[in-house]
Amino acid sequence: GQNIDQPTEMTATEGAIVQINCTYQTSGFNGLFWYQQHAGEAPTFLSYNVLDGLEEKGRFSSFLSRSKGYSYLLLKELQMKDSASYLCAPLDSNYQLIWGAGTKLIIKP
Amino acid sequence: IAGITQAPTSQILAAGRRMTLRCTQDMRHNAMYWYRQDLGLGLRLIHYSNTAGTTGKGEVPDGYSVSRANTDDFPLTLASAVPSQTSVYFCASRGDRDTDTQYFGPGTRLTVL
Repeated sequence: GQNIDQPTEMTATEGAIVQINCTYQTSGFNGLFWYQQHAGEAPTFLSYNVLDGLEEKGRFSSFLSRSKGYSYLLLKELQMKDSASYLCAPLDSNYQLIWGAGTKLIIKP
Repeated sequence: IAGITQAPTSQILAAGRRMTLRCTQDMRHNAMYWYRQDLGLGLRLIHYSNTAGTTGKGEVPDGYSVSRANTDDFPLTLASAVPSQTSVYFCASRGDRDTDTQYFGPGTRLTVL
């Protein structure tokens, strides 16, 4: 079966760094997406990884290890506006996104 | 450019009633999707369409139908609503490559009583 595992909730302090982990098992693999979703809003695209390694994009970076079925999203210099849910979604062999339940990130001042 | 629009924003519906959720995109994307999102669960795919004139079933298609008469519009119909269909519904579209990003509409919050 297909399965996505990420922590339900994390708390971090403004200005700090936080790493959100995601492990996955899918039927085939064609890359992995991370989306951000603020409460009451639609998911918005953050990153896409298809090769192993780290992709850096401003304060956000995403890492992928295909052999381990593992990805993480790294958020630096946390701001209050980063309080949101972060959704891990690998792309399976049919190019369908398989969505995790998301990690709710709470930023405290 | 509006991107993707959905209507209505929210709706309260009596069980047994028929309801159509509307989705329109102006990006000329071929692929479109309908998801539902429930508390504690990931987004679940209801139906999808890879191009105008074709549709496919997702993970949770029962009780829902779709049509794709043209590129821009992808309506989702609940023929006879039940309380378990209470959810937030998101429409999404994707560019031509299978690995392109999916872009989401603002969602429709549906309550079935």
